[in-house]
Amino acid sequence: DVKVTQSSRYLVKRTGEKVFLECVQDMDHENMFWYRQDPGLGLRLIYFSYDVKMKEKGDIPEGYSVSREKKERFSLILESASTNQTSMYLCASKTPGQGGYGYTFGSGTRLTVV
Amino acid sequence: GENVEQHPSTLSVQEGDSAVIKCTYSDSASNYFPWYKQELGKRPQLIIDIRSNVGEKKDQRIAVTLNKTAKHFSLHITETQPEDSAVYFCAATFILTGGGNKLTFGTGTQLKVEL
Repeated sequence: DVKVTQSSRYLVKRTGEKVFLECVQDMDHENMFWYRQDPGLGLRLIYFSYDVKMKEKGDIPEGYSVSREKKERFSLILESASTNQTSMYLCASKTPGQGGYGYTFGSGTRLTVV
Repeated sequence: GENVEQHPSTLSVQEGDSAVIKCTYSDSASNYFPWYKQELGKRPQLIIDIRSNVGEKKDQRIAVTLNKTAKHFSLHITETQPEDSAVYFCAATFILTGGGNKLTFGTGTQLKVEL
């Protein structure tokens, strides 16, 4: 089974801090994604990456950046955390087979910005 | 633009009844439609998916139907059980100009199966 591991389950950070959320997958997948999940809004795509050093903006990239220095690791960076970035953050990796469209999600990081 | 609408936002059924969740999508080029189940405090898990060359797919008590002309697809759960209680998300692929694709998700349906 593909494993997508997010380094922290819960994080509490202060407004203005620089925050790093880490995601690691163990199946050599090219494609990785960061979503945030908020009640009533579903999952919204922040950034994604097709391969090492590559990144693409999703639907809500403002206030975020990403880093993909190694194939297995995709980091989400909050440059200056704000309270409206309090949310559940989900990383996903694209699974192979049948066109390779299915995603596998990590367990999520619940970030609270105070 | 890219959009997936999902209804209803909440659904309460009696154990043993059927549940239906409906989604519509905006991009006629979408060709893959997965459904995810998220139990409380857990990650979303893929439960069933359908491709655009198929109109219906079934896996035990769950089935998905797709109407490409109308751009809508539905999840059907029969003989619901308490363990079906969860949030369900539909999604559709959107084709990017660079040739890749991404998933856009609906806003979710909270299904509650009551005893």
